[in-house]
Amino acid sequence: DVKVTQSSRYLVKRTGEKVFLECVQDMDHENMFWYRQDPGLGLRLIYFSYDVKMKEKGDIPEGYSVSREKKERFSLILESASTNQTSMYLCASSFVQGTNEKLFFGSGTQLSVL
Amino acid sequence: AQKITQTQPGMFVQEKEAVTLDCTYDTSDPSYGLFWYKQPSSGEMIFLIYQGSYDQQNATEGRYSLNFQKARKSANLVISASQLGDSAMYFCAMRELVRGAQKLVFGQGTRLTINP
Repeated sequence: DVKVTQSSRYLVKRTGEKVFLECVQDMDHENMFWYRQDPGLGLRLIYFSYDVKMKEKGDIPEGYSVSREKKERFSLILESASTNQTSMYLCASSFVQGTNEKLFFGSGTQLSVL
Repeated sequence: AQKITQTQPGMFVQEKEAVTLDCTYDTSDPSYGLFWYKQPSSGEMIFLIYQGSYDQQNATEGRYSLNFQKARKSANLVISASQLGDSAMYFCAMRELVRGAQKLVFGQGTRLTINP
């Protein structure tokens, strides 16, 4: 089974702290994604990556950056956490094989910024 | 502009009835993919069904089928013979190519409640 692992299930940080959210997948997928999920807003795409060191901004990249130094690892960085970044963060990876596609999710990190 | 729109924030359905969850999308890319995911209260994201833009037939997976109407840009999920365990949030998503990269965006979700 494909596994997408997020390093923390719950995280509490203070305003202004630098925060790292780590995501690792074990299936050699090229595409990886970071979303945040807020009630009534669904999942919103923050950043995505299609290869090592390659990244693209999603729909809400402000206040975030990412790092993909190795294919299996995609990190989300909050340079200076703010209270409006309190949210559930979901990492995902995907494969495309002919006409078949599938997206696999991690179990999420609930981040609280105080 | 919203790329994926789910117009039903909540739906209530009697057990054993069929239910249709609406999803419309917007893209100019001729090659795209459409997904449906289920998120129960546990929070995990469960893949339900996938439809490619070039697929001639509507996708089906057990009790789930996708009513794909390309000209109308709609990809509604149909659940036949609903069960209590179908109560969950349901998300529609679209994959398109952006500068050679696969981009996946989701709708706002529909909360489905199945009543006994």
